[in-house]
Amino acid sequence: SQQGEEDPQALSIQEGENATMNCSYKTSINNLQWYRQNSGRGLVHLILIRSNEREKHSGRLRVTLDTSKKSSSLLITASRAADTASYFCATPLGSNYKLTFGKGTLLTVNP
Amino acid sequence: EPEVTQTPSHQVTQMGQEVILRCVPISNHLYFYWYRQILGQKVEFLVSFYNNEISEKSEIFDDQFSVERPDGSNFTLKIRSTKLEDSAMYFCASSGLGANYGYTFGSGTRLTVV
Repeated sequence: SQQGEEDPQALSIQEGENATMNCSYKTSINNLQWYRQNSGRGLVHLILIRSNEREKHSGRLRVTLDTSKKSSSLLITASRAADTASYFCATPLGSNYKLTFGKGTLLTVNP
Repeated sequence: EPEVTQTPSHQVTQMGQEVILRCVPISNHLYFYWYRQILGQKVEFLVSFYNNEISEKSEIFDDQFSVERPDGSNFTLKIRSTKLEDSAMYFCASSGLGANYGYTFGSGTRLTVV
């Protein structure tokens, strides 16, 4: 079963602009995680937000979590060309903490 | 920063041959995973491994797949008789115990079956 679904599927912005990606999920969660994948590479863990947290920051990243709406957003401020990648949300399911990934948001930052 | 190491980075094999993909997870992690990503598609869960046994596997992980942790450090994925549709990027990941741990992924092995 798929837990996280990202929106939009693709986003194209200019360098310096902010990028916002959204994630919706279906069941109750312990935490929600965001990952980045550069083309043809592995996934890189960006940030984890716990179910009792509403907002978290890490550098230029800001993540919010609304458990009542079962949604999260990832904001990248002052984007750079190097931020061009696919971004995925995921939550651990079950006792094995298996992560399931959606199709992601493909972010393109134009110089 | 600790890394998950995967070898080889690229493997080309003939259909029907056996391949072994290798991974060295982070040493103090307890959960290990294999995922795959067919070109242009999403990352799919294959199998999770904990306490020296499979804890969960997906429908993709059929009898031609197996995993092992032979020596306490390496974590391998074996595909017994490869098919063309096994061509994909295979990612190993590990995580510590507890819901507050993220995964650390390796850079992947690109498997091409010809």
